[in-house]
Amino acid sequence: GAGVSQTPSNKVTEKGKYVELRCDPISGHTALYWYRQSLGQGPEFLIYFQGTGAADDSGLPNDRFFAVRPEGSVSTLKIQRTERGDSAVYLCASSPQGGALYNEQFFGPGTRLTVL
Amino acid sequence: DAKTTQPPSMDCAEGRAANLPCNHSTISGNEYVYWYRQIHSQGPQYIIHGLKNNETNEMASLIITEDRKSSTLILPHATLRDTAVYYCIVRAGGTSYGKLTFGQGTILTVHP
Repeated sequence: GAGVSQTPSNKVTEKGKYVELRCDPISGHTALYWYRQSLGQGPEFLIYFQGTGAADDSGLPNDRFFAVRPEGSVSTLKIQRTERGDSAVYLCASSPQGGALYNEQFFGPGTRLTVL
Repeated sequence: DAKTTQPPSMDCAEGRAANLPCNHSTISGNEYVYWYRQIHSQGPQYIIHGLKNNETNEMASLIITEDRKSSTLILPHATLRDTAVYYCIVRAGGTSYGKLTFGQGTILTVHP
């Protein structure tokens, strides 16, 4: 079956611009996660949705970052006034049973964001 | 979440067992040990998890010490495709157990 998909696969933008990154989770998965991975580092948690609501947004670095999941399926990560330090791979994951201690997260291939 | 410590890199010959250690000396009683791996240019992939008993699946075995302060991931017959970064993660219960907290991981290189 189809896995988690993310679009675009690569995004190059200029400092100060607005970007949107899209995540299509595995069908039926109720939980959705966003992570950010800088070069040479492990993924860093940003936000976690259970259905339509953000259950944990403690990883969002500042108010330039915002994410939505209006219908409990597709999610969009929005970054305003991008900075060069936002350059990273943005990973999305989904899981079939959010909140269960032993659930497995299925990751997409990521979107590589480059801010010039 | 408890912090984990892993060696930055390891090598293994193809066909041999790869044993990847992880130290999690501050683990709490309700925390599980998870292993994920990340092949170059891909998203992380779940491997296995456990609480206190040893676990085995089609990919690997997980050995957790009796005091739960450390664990070892075993790939019994490593192949070139197992070259990846391996992450040991301890995951808390409660309201924050949605997220995974990744460290730097171990870069495993399997050579012919």
